[in-house]
Amino acid sequence: KQEVTQIPAALSVPEGENLVLNCSFTDSAIYNLQWFRQDPGKGLTSLLLIQSSQREQTSGRLNASLDKSSGRSTLYIAASQPGDSATYLCAVAPLEGGGNKLTFGTGTQLKVEL
Amino acid sequence: DAGVIQSPRHEVTEMGQEVTLRCKPISGHDYLFWYRQTMMRGLELLIYFNNNVPIDDSGMPEDRFSAKMPNASFSTLKIQPSEPRDSAVYFCASSLPGSTDTQYFGPGTRLTVL
Repeated sequence: KQEVTQIPAALSVPEGENLVLNCSFTDSAIYNLQWFRQDPGKGLTSLLLIQSSQREQTSGRLNASLDKSSGRSTLYIAASQPGDSATYLCAVAPLEGGGNKLTFGTGTQLKVEL
Repeated sequence: DAGVIQSPRHEVTEMGQEVTLRCKPISGHDYLFWYRQTMMRGLELLIYFNNNVPIDDSGMPEDRFSAKMPNASFSTLKIQPSEPRDSAVYFCASSLPGSTDTQYFGPGTRLTVL
C-alpha cells in the first residue's frame, strides 16, 4: 500500500525566503505526482503535476522535482510571500488506474510572515 | 464556469440521522470523485465515477455510506445512519474527459455528527 509522507508538518518563514517542502512515497510505481495548495475552508488547487517520466516542472516561483527511484519529490518556492501561506499537499497516482486513485500526504502547513 | 459546487457547506446532525451531501461537477467533466479529510487520516478517496458509473468504491468505509450519480451534473453521498466518527470535511472533485491528471476540487462540506 502506497504511503506518502511530508516533512515538515509545519513551517514558518519570513517573507522573501526561499524554501523547500519535501514529499516521500514508498511505492515507486507511480503514474504521476502532483502538488496541491489548500487554503482554510476551501478546496484544493493543483499547482504542479509531474509525469513519472519527467524530472521537474516549473510554474512561476514554484519548481517541483521528482526522483522516482528514491521515492522523493520536492517543492521549491522562491522569494516567498505572505500570500503563499497555506497547506501544501503532495499526491501520487499509481501506474495501475492512471491518474484516478490519488494517495495524499498529510501536508505541510506554511506560514510566511511579514 | 462556477467550478465544482457542493452543498451544504456545513452540516450539523445528531447520531443516527441520515445525511446527504450533494455535488455538481464542472460541466463537461466525466470523472467525479468523493474524498474525505480528517485530521487523523488526511485526505482519502472514497469512490469515483466515470460517465455516471461507479468505477471504484474500495475507499467507502462501510455499508452506511452510499454514493450515486443519476446524471452527468449531479452526485450524492449519503450516510445512514450517521455516527460521530463520520465527522470530517467531504470534498467532491471532477476532471476532464479522457484525462484524470488534473482534478478540480469543490469547497467541501464540513460535517459534524453529534
